[in-house]
Amino acid sequence: EAGVAQSPRYKIIEKRQSVAFWCNPISGHATLYWYQQILGQGPKLLIQFQNNGVVDDSQLPKDRFSAERLKGVDSTLKIQPAKLEDSAVYLCASSRSGYTDTQYFGPGTRLTVL
Amino acid sequence: EDQVTQSPEALRLQEGESSSLNCSYTVSGLRGLFWYRQDPGKGPEFLFTLYSAGEEKEKERLKATLTKKESFLHITAPKPEDSATYLCAVQASAGTYKYIFGTGTRLKVLA
Repeated sequence: EAGVAQSPRYKIIEKRQSVAFWCNPISGHATLYWYQQILGQGPKLLIQFQNNGVVDDSQLPKDRFSAERLKGVDSTLKIQPAKLEDSAVYLCASSRSGYTDTQYFGPGTRLTVL
Repeated sequence: EDQVTQSPEALRLQEGESSSLNCSYTVSGLRGLFWYRQDPGKGPEFLFTLYSAGEEKEKERLKATLTKKESFLHITAPKPEDSATYLCAVQASAGTYKYIFGTGTRLKVLA
């Protein structure tokens, strides 16, 4: 079974630029998560999708971050404009149903904002 | 507020020197506690899920246990390949069931 795929793996941008990350979850997994992991910290949930719908985006900085999950499969996370403090690893995870199932993580995208 | 605290922050062991990592938590009703391993430059890799106090799970040199306030990850006779960051997360039994992660324990096993 293929795991969670993410791209790009690395991205370097200047502050105030925009950037987008892509995630393809494990086949058949209904729930998709985006996390932000700052160096030395644990992952922090940004947004959780159940199929196409948003379940939790309470910690998503909505003035600059946006995310969508079209057709209940792939997802993109966008930052516009980026700030220095957005430098982090952005992890995508998926689970079969969301509420009771284990989350499986992708390799992450390391973002550096200069 | 739901919270997870892991200790120690970092741990250096000699190969074969057994030890334990701690994860203490406060949550308004625990649905599950999860242990993950994270290697540098990679995403967290799932190890165990524990659901109720007294439960234990084992995998190779790792054993996870759970009480009402904390979990331990015991590492028996570790090898250098066990070097990684070990993350603990809790999932509440209400709300959106999101995971709350600790900051992890960085384990280094020396040959």
